[in-house]
Amino acid sequence: EVQLVESGGGLIQPGGSLRLSCAASGFTVSSNHMGWARQAPGKGLEWISLINYGGSTYSAQSVKGRFTISRDNSKNTVSLQMNSLRAEDTAVYYCARLDSSSATYFDYWGQGTLVTVSS
Amino acid sequence: QSALTQPASVSGSPGQSITISCTGSSSDIGVYNYVSWYQHHPGKAPKLIIYDVNKRPSGVSDRFSGSKYGNTASLTISGLQAEDEANYYCSSYTTSNTFAVRFGGGTKLTVL
Repeated sequence: EVQLVESGGGLIQPGGSLRLSCAASGFTVSSNHMGWARQAPGKGLEWISLINYGGSTYSAQSVKGRFTISRDNSKNTVSLQMNSLRAEDTAVYYCARLDSSSATYFDYWGQGTLVTVSS
Repeated sequence: QSALTQPASVSGSPGQSITISCTGSSSDIGVYNYVSWYQHHPGKAPKLIIYDVNKRPSGVSDRFSGSKYGNTASLTISGLQAEDEANYYCSSYTTSNTFAVRFGGGTKLTVL
């Protein structure tokens, strides 16, 4: 059974850093495209970062230069390093697997972890 | 990038059918047959219910169906059930010089 479990969220001050982790089971992250999306309070979903099976990474303009996605093949995890956090980064962050055929939709999601950026 | 446009809320009675629209542009829905829909019960993991405009993943009820016309995609839920009450999000692949998908703002479905 495919499962994704996020961790690492919490309350952080503006300008601070936080690292989110996503533990995958039922499949191998290194053979799949993996991404992060978020949902700010009262807003819709927003894709923010992706790492493909080849290791190439892509980021939305809203987080480019501040957030970095990576993976640990030995632990079967994907991480999101978030630096220079802003109040507008407050959101529930979801880890998701991108489909392996067309790479255009997310076929499995985690339950999310809440990040609150506030002083 | 702006989100795809969905109605904020829709409602229906058990047994009825409802349709949720998702309006994009000629850079996403209008040019790609890569529209997907997700069901999200708060506090739980979002669930893929439609991909490639009108395909259902294994295990998803055939009460859920998708379609597209021009720059607008639609999700229809027939035979409404209480457990269908949730938030629904559309998504489309979009023209970009890098990977990019665009989501809708979400629609809250209330089963009366």
